[in-house]
Amino acid sequence: DTEVTQTPKHLVMGMTNKKSLKCEQHMGHRAMYWYKQKAKKPPELMFVYSYEKLSINESVPSRFSPECPNSSLLNLHLHALQPEDSALYLCASSQDQGTSGPRAGELFFGEGSRLTVL
Amino acid sequence: AQTVTQSQPEMSVQEAETVTLSCTYDTSESDYYLFWYKQPPSRQMILVIRQEAYKQQNATENRFSVNFQKAAKSFSLKISDSQLGDAAMYFCASFNQGGKLIFGQGTELSVKP
Repeated sequence: DTEVTQTPKHLVMGMTNKKSLKCEQHMGHRAMYWYKQKAKKPPELMFVYSYEKLSINESVPSRFSPECPNSSLLNLHLHALQPEDSALYLCASSQDQGTSGPRAGELFFGEGSRLTVL
Repeated sequence: AQTVTQSQPEMSVQEAETVTLSCTYDTSESDYYLFWYKQPPSRQMILVIRQEAYKQQNATENRFSVNFQKAAKSFSLKISDSQLGDAAMYFCASFNQGGKLIFGQGTELSVKP
């Protein structure tokens, strides 16, 4: 199983809503990532979890709140978002966050959750 | 700081022909990894090919090969015998000791039948 599964695929929410994006992998990976991607642009790193602990937060606004309940699951809680937060949110996983070895930097991506904030 | 630059926003190739996508990068580190990722219109990003900086030999993966010029900090992707399924956005990326995968701006490749 080499899949990263993201739900929901599409989400429309108002600026006062609270919603969550979910990501799941069963590859035994110990690093998980959230990226934000605007149309025709590269993914921008938001958060990295390594062994279920937050290791990188790229100065993301607090209206985005990540959570890693266990090694297979990654959530992104959304609250009081702005219209400019509308984007494709990609989850990815890798063997670990190691910076050397045959799998270093090799990320497996999900299909993404398309978020629209009204 | 680690940067990746792709200077070709769009490229086009005839089916069965060869196309080369350009990428340059900048890093102060001696140990790093370079990648080409493909994102088809269905959105899922997949790894095409990877190159370890310490290896002089250029990586190849079936119809995909790279030209890695370490001194020039250049990392181009060659796609041979292009197929309709190769149409996608291609991102060059680098990964270094900071543990972050940094992407270039992308090159949108179209394949003409």
